[in-house]
Amino acid sequence: DVKVTQSSRYLVKRTGEKVFLECVQDMDHENMFWYRQDPGLGLRLIYFSYDVKMKEKGDIPEGYSVSREKKERFSLILESASTNQTSMYLCASSHNDRAYEQYFGPGTRLTVT
Amino acid sequence: RKEVEQDPGPFNVPEGATVAFNCTYSNSASQSFFWYRQDCRKEPKLLMSVYSSGNEDGRFTAQLNRASQYISLLIRDSKLSDSATYLCVVNLYGIRGSARQLTFGSGTQLTVLP
Repeated sequence: DVKVTQSSRYLVKRTGEKVFLECVQDMDHENMFWYRQDPGLGLRLIYFSYDVKMKEKGDIPEGYSVSREKKERFSLILESASTNQTSMYLCASSHNDRAYEQYFGPGTRLTVT
Repeated sequence: RKEVEQDPGPFNVPEGATVAFNCTYSNSASQSFFWYRQDCRKEPKLLMSVYSSGNEDGRFTAQLNRASQYISLLIRDSKLSDSATYLCVVNLYGIRGSARQLTFGSGTQLTVLP
């Protein structure tokens, strides 16, 4: 079974703090993604990566950065957290041969106060 | 205008009912189409792909109408376990982003009542 894990299920941070969200997948997938999910807005792509050290902006990259130093790990960084970044963050991965099938982690509920 | 639009629902149907969801997409050059399912407080998972010829998986039937730019999902003989949010997903490969990138609708919520 493909497993995508995220470092925290729930996180509470203060405005202005630097926040790291970690994601690890164990199936040697080339592609990894970070989404945020908000009621009424659905899943929105923040960043994705199709190879180590490669990254591409998604639809809403502002206020975020990412790092992919190893194939299995994809980190999302909020340089200076703001209250409008309170959301559910979902990491996903996929294999190039079946790129349409993304496997998601359980999500991190981030609250910025 | 959103690239992928769905009626958010909720759809509340009795067990055994047939229910259908539609989804529209804005870019006529979209390449491929899927339905994902997301249970309450869980992560999304691929339910099925959608082909122009239509495809069926047990009680689930998916259809694509390229001329009208909509995708449908039909669930027959609804079960309590079908209660979930159904996400319409489009791949805009060649238009924006890459073959690896998917665009998700905001989902249609289904509750099957006993």
